[in-house]
Amino acid sequence: ETGVTQTPRHLVMGMTNKKSLKCEQHLGHNAMYWYKQSAKKPLELMFVYSLEERVENNSVPSRFSPECPNSSHLFLHLHTLQPEDSALYLCASSQEIRGELFFGEGSRLTVL
Amino acid sequence: GNSVTQMEGPVTLSEEAFLTINCTYTATGYPSLFWYVQYPGEGLQLLLKATKADDKGSNKGFEATYRKETTSFHLEKGSVQVSDSAVYFCALSDRYGGATNKLIFGTGTLLAVQP
Repeated sequence: ETGVTQTPRHLVMGMTNKKSLKCEQHLGHNAMYWYKQSAKKPLELMFVYSLEERVENNSVPSRFSPECPNSSHLFLHLHTLQPEDSALYLCASSQEIRGELFFGEGSRLTVL
Repeated sequence: GNSVTQMEGPVTLSEEAFLTINCTYTATGYPSLFWYVQYPGEGLQLLLKATKADDKGSNKGFEATYRKETTSFHLEKGSVQVSDSAVYFCALSDRYGGATNKLIFGTGTLLAVQP
């Protein structure tokens, strides 16, 4: 099993659809993250969960809704997205204090 | 606030050339510094890190030294290969209350190595 697994790898959706991105980590970490990667922009931190509790929400629009049911799983629920939301969404996990994030391969989202 | 600035790409080099990708940072306190690499179609992978001033991180022939006096963490490699072609991200850790760490990334530098 790879460390951090994201599904689906590619997703195309219309603006009225509802879909979810899934992330699973097999590293025994206790913190998980969603980042957004858009062309020519720094990676944007969207959400952070520590011990299944959300500790950071960087002014992300409510059309993105995270869920962390346990320390190994993280979801990003998507609803009524806009074309500018098209990006690579990266999930990461870390163990407390160490500062090193382990990333998944990302989910490439295209909103039509 | 804390931030990272890295040189814009793309950087195009011939195989076996010397590589430098500049990275400078602004931070309060004493952050850890990182270089991540993203190969085409993949997520980010940690390449190397340094946790305190004067530390040198190294991996796969790449090196970077944490320079507090110049607030820099430049990435170097003596002889690049075609397989090093990727996007390189400089980052610093910005810890806030509790156990989690927040990485602040630069915009990334695309490296293209030609045979």
